[in-house]
Order: sequence, then structure tokens, then C-alpha cells
Amino acid sequence: EAGVAQSPRYKIIEKRQSVAFWCNPISGHATLYWYQQILGQGPKLLIQFQNNGVVDDSQLPKDRFSAERLKGVDSTLKIQPAKLEDSAVYLCASTPDYHEQYFGPGTRLTVT
Amino acid sequence: SQQGEEDPQALSIQEGENATMNCSYKTSINNLQWYRQNSGRGLVHLILIRSNEREKHSGRLRVTLDTSKKSSSLLITASRAADTASYFCATDGPSGSRLTFGEGTQLTVNP
Repeated sequence: EAGVAQSPRYKIIEKRQSVAFWCNPISGHATLYWYQQILGQGPKLLIQFQNNGVVDDSQLPKDRFSAERLKGVDSTLKIQPAKLEDSAVYLCASTPDYHEQYFGPGTRLTVT
Repeated sequence: SQQGEEDPQALSIQEGENATMNCSYKTSINNLQWYRQNSGRGLVHLILIRSNEREKHSGRLRVTLDTSKKSSSLLITASRAADTASYFCATDGPSGSRLTFGEGTQLTVNP
């Protein structure tokens, strides 16, 4: 079974620029999550989708972050404009049952 | 703020020794999970223990849960150099609620 795919793996941008990350979850997994992991910390949930609907986006900085999951499969996370403190690894995860989550390799974002 | 807090923050042991990591949390939970993260990689699920369970085993892993103390421990027996990674506990509430991760324990197993 193919795992969760993410791209790009690395991205370097200047502050105030925009950036987008892509995630393809495991086939058949209805629930998809985006996490932000700052160096030395645990992942923090940004947004949770159930199919193509948002379940929880309470920790998403909506003034600059947006996410969508068209057709309930792939998802994109966008940051516009980026700030220095957005430097982190952005992890995508999916699950069929709200229990074990399957994580992708992450996208390491550096904002200079 | 993070729900779970791991202790210690870092642990260095010799191959063959046992490693014990602890996790404390603040509010009632439905399940508690442990994940491993190798450097530069995503997280990998290790084990899930439900709030009505006290102990669970999986291979060289042993997890305990004490809901009265709001704490859990992860024991890795006969450690190997390949066990070197960060270990995170994560808690959730009612089904479908967000999974909240702790800050992690960095385990180094020296060959």
C-alpha cells in the first residue's frame, strides 16, 4: 500500500512570499490532517478534513493560512504571506478510523 | 498548549539496555498513542492504548496507562541503535477530536 505523499520536500522562500504544499493521502482514508512541527517540538494540528469538509480548523491562522481538499482526496495548504515564524516542517497525515494516523515525510519550509 | 508532556526530554543509553519514557497529560482522554519520528522523517505509529486499558505489549514495546495519575510510560526493551529517534505521546478525547502531541523524548541508543 502506498503511503502518504507530500511535495515538495523542501522549500525556501523569503518573508512575505507565498507557498503551497500538496498532500495525497492513502487511498480510502476519509480523514486528512495538516500539522505544523516547529524544530524541537511536537506536531501541532492546523486543520482536519473529513472527506472534503473541515472538521477542525481552530488552530489555523486564517489570516495567512488556507487549506482545501477538493473531491475529498488530495489537499493543499497555502501560506500567504509567509512570516519568519512559519519556518517549520508541515506534516500531512491520514486515517481511516480516527485512531492510528499515517504520516507523510513532511515539507521542510524555511522562511528567510 | 500541548496536552502531553514527555519526560525526559533526552535519553542516551547503550545498545541492549532498556529505555523508559514517560508522558503526562492534563485532561480526560479516550485513547493515548505513541509515535516514533526518525530524523527528517514523518511520524510512525507505534501503539495505541485505550483509557480502559492499563497495559499493552507490542514486540519489544510495553506501554502502561494510569488514568488516575494522568500518565503513561513507554518501555523499549533490549534497545538497538535503530531505535534512535524522537518518541511522542499523543492524546485524544471523544472520537474524532483532535490528537494532541507532547514535546517528545529524544532517544539515542549508542552501539
